Amino acid sequence: EVQVLESGGGLVQPGGFLRLSCAASGFTFSSYAMSWARQAPGKGLEWVSTIGPGGGSTYYADSVKGRFTISRDNSKNTLYLQMNSLRVEDTAVYYCARTANFDSWGQGTLVTVSS
Amino acid sequence: DVVMTQSPLSLPVTLGQPASISCRSSQSLVHSDGNTYLNWFQQRPGQSPRRLIYKVSNRDSGVPDRFSGSGSGTDFTLEISRVEAEDVGIYYCMQATHWPRTFGQGTRVEIK
Repeated sequence: EVQVLESGGGLVQPGGFLRLSCAASGFTFSSYAMSWARQAPGKGLEWVSTIGPGGGSTYYADSVKGRFTISRDNSKNTLYLQMNSLRVEDTAVYYCARTANFDSWGQGTLVTVSS
Repeated sequence: DVVMTQSPLSLPVTLGQPASISCRSSQSLVHSDGNTYLNWFQQRPGQSPRRLIYKVSNRDSGVPDRFSGSGSGTDFTLEISRVEAEDVGIYYCMQATHWPRTFGQGTRVEIK
């Protein structure tokens, strides 16, 4: 069974940083692109970033470009999202998902940016 | 960016009756490889999203056959043939043809 499990969320001050992790199991992690999406409280879904299977290709939403970095460690079956220069508007539940078509989602991890 | 526009944004339905959600894109979703990467997701209250339909009309594993997707180019539809109580939630379309990926605003399905 395909499973992805996010961790690393929490409360951080504006301008701060956080690193999210996503542990994958039940499939050959190194064969799949992986993605992050987010959902602000009471709002809709927003694509954040995608990384290719080998890590060589990365894509970002304009809203996070230059501040967030997606990466992966295929030896650990783990996806990461390094989030720097966090803003209040980055407050959201962050979801990890398999592929750029989001075929399987995690349960999400809440990131709150507030002073 | 490709803008995805859903309608209606709120859909009250009677149990056992059909429901239909429209999704329109601001440009064609036909990829250079010939496929059309239009997905539909369901988000039940308090849960993570779940993909229902991929490439316009293909149901994901475990999705009941009362859900169907159709459309082409810029105009797409998700239909529920007979709404059940477990179908309550928000439905999103998403295009995966172009970068950046973009979602529709969501359609809230509720029981009358």
